[in-house]
Amino acid sequence: DAGVIQSPRHEVTEMGQEVTLRCKPISGHDYLFWYRQTMMRGLELLIYFNNNVPIDDSGMPEDRFSAKMPNASFSTLKIQPSEPRDSAVYFCASSRDFGSEKLFFGSGTQLSVL
Amino acid sequence: QKEVEQNSGPLSVPEGAIASLNCTYSDRGSQSFFWYRQYSGKSPELIMFIYSNGDKEDGRFTAQLNKASQYVSLLIRDSQPSDSATYLCAVGGGDDKIIFGKGTRLHILP
Repeated sequence: DAGVIQSPRHEVTEMGQEVTLRCKPISGHDYLFWYRQTMMRGLELLIYFNNNVPIDDSGMPEDRFSAKMPNASFSTLKIQPSEPRDSAVYFCASSRDFGSEKLFFGSGTQLSVL
Repeated sequence: QKEVEQNSGPLSVPEGAIASLNCTYSDRGSQSFFWYRQYSGKSPELIMFIYSNGDKEDGRFTAQLNKASQYVSLLIRDSQPSDSATYLCAVGGGDDKIIFGKGTRLHILP
């Protein structure tokens, strides 16, 4: 299996622009997680899905953030409008189970908002 | 707010010595405990998991769990320069989420 695939690897954009991050989980994994990592706050859980359904989005910082999972093999995290404080590494991870199962992480998207 | 606390380091350990990394967590309902290693610029990768009180050994790595004290630790024996990385403690269960600590930077001195 190719593992969790994220795109793009790097994204540089200007404040106010829309940003869309993409993720393809490992086939057969029922859970998909979006995390954000910064030096100050570490790795924060933003939202997670079970069988394509959003279960908990309490970590999404603001209404500017939205996430979708239209099918088992694709998810997007969208920021509109983007702000400089959104600059971070965004990781997608998948697992067969939750809590007791290990997470498989994608390579991450390094987002820079100027 | 459920929390996972780690000393940020850096923790400097001579090559060949034992590195000891510690983590505390706030949620007594936590059921699963993980240690992830993250090299600079890379994604986290799982190196150990433990569910029951006591020790669990895998090669040079030993995870220790004390639920009464809400404490998890990772020991790395015969430390190698390739062990230099950030180690993330993660805790799961209860409300289905896996929460990460901010990580401890480990530096193995050649």
